[in-house]
Amino acid sequence: AQSVTQPDIHITVSEGASLELRCNYSYGATPYLFWYVQSPGQGLQLLLKYFSGDTLVQGIKGFEAEFKRSQSSFNLRKPSVHWSDAAEYFCAVGVTSYDKVIFGPGTSLSVIP
Amino acid sequence: DAGVIQSPRHEVTEMGQEVTLRCKPISGHDYLFWYRQTMMRGLELLIYFNNNVPIDDSGMPEDRFSAKMPNASFSTLKIQPSEPRDSAVYFCASSWDKNTGELFFGEGSRLTVL
Repeated sequence: AQSVTQPDIHITVSEGASLELRCNYSYGATPYLFWYVQSPGQGLQLLLKYFSGDTLVQGIKGFEAEFKRSQSSFNLRKPSVHWSDAAEYFCAVGVTSYDKVIFGPGTSLSVIP
Repeated sequence: DAGVIQSPRHEVTEMGQEVTLRCKPISGHDYLFWYRQTMMRGLELLIYFNNNVPIDDSGMPEDRFSAKMPNASFSTLKIQPSEPRDSAVYFCASSWDKNTGELFFGEGSRLTVL
């Protein structure tokens, strides 16, 4: 069955440090891939998406993600984290033959000064 | 663009009462989704509409939940009767495509059932 996993429930990083959030998916075909961010008390906002082409995609707020077909992964990265990046991050996948976008369980990011 | 608008933002009610949550999607989006978010279960898709027609309601927990979309600019999610386990944040989202398009989320309606 299709699934999306985010192995890290919670991550704490220091401000200015680099960040990598992991996402793995289980599908037969190449899915459409998304990363969303949810700030406290807010809805989800799209950071970036991958449909095809260059496997390294750039998003808003300085985030990027790399699609690795061989590893079924779509990890999110940022070279230098800001305190305002503290939020919940969701990886999601969509497959045209399925009915809906599947969201991962989320990774909560804390940033310490 | 005003984005997806949900109301109320917060609702506190007593068990057994009827709750109605409302959503106005972004104009021009053909798809509307209702999600529920809890600590235990994460983000769950309850139901989605395409051109005002319910397409998949397999995520609706039980018969106490119902959703309607009478026109392209309005949808409701109703819980009757409400129970404490329905306490959650309910999100509405809209999109131009069910799988490949960006989902635009509202700010959510936080429901507390006492």
